[in-house]
Amino acid sequence: QKEVEQDPGPLSVPEGAIVSLNCTYSNSAFQYFMWYRQYSRKGPELLMYTYSSGNKEDGRFTAQVDKSSKYISLFIRDSQPSDSATYLCAMRGGAAGNKLTFGGGTRVLVKP
Amino acid sequence: IAGITQAPTSQILAAGRRMTLRCTQDMRHNAMYWYRQDLGLGLRLIHYSNTAGTTGKGEVPDGYSVSRANTDDFPLTLASAVPSQTSVYFCASSPLPGTDTQYFGPGTRLTVL
Repeated sequence: QKEVEQDPGPLSVPEGAIVSLNCTYSNSAFQYFMWYRQYSRKGPELLMYTYSSGNKEDGRFTAQVDKSSKYISLFIRDSQPSDSATYLCAMRGGAAGNKLTFGGGTRVLVKP
Repeated sequence: IAGITQAPTSQILAAGRRMTLRCTQDMRHNAMYWYRQDLGLGLRLIHYSNTAGTTGKGEVPDGYSVSRANTDDFPLTLASAVPSQTSVYFCASSPLPGTDTQYFGPGTRLTVL
């Protein structure tokens, strides 16, 4: 079983809809959680990070962490075609130390 | 332009051949990383370097070696390529080890036949 599970998608939504992405993890030692966005044939780029349970907002993006359920989410409001990309969750902590453990990524398509 | 460059962009390689993937950053970051990305498996860490002169093994180090002679360069070598090493390889860097913001290069698409 992978330490971090993420539905590969693709997730197709109409422009303006809310995109909901999530990851589950098995390692309760993970303390730091990140979302990276990766456009086709590009390297990933950090979108958001959070260190605690609860919500964190940044513009149209909201990251949510529920450590008790080992579940993290990313919501994209008012989605745009430019949001079409693969979204990867990443996390670190515990024995993994400074190394990031990534989910497999969810491909998102926002149709105009 | 500040950032990470990788070369080559793509390569087709015969099995058994030696190959070095190049990675250079101009941000004076201390830490550098090599990942491979395979469909459905996300990014897996191959090797890392917390600072010039030091390297460490990641999750999938077998068949790969790295060196970190200076701050800017972090080449990845496949001593004798095998088809299972067909993948997209990303180099990344961060200001310090463990910094959550890792800056990624554009990747190298490697096919081993």
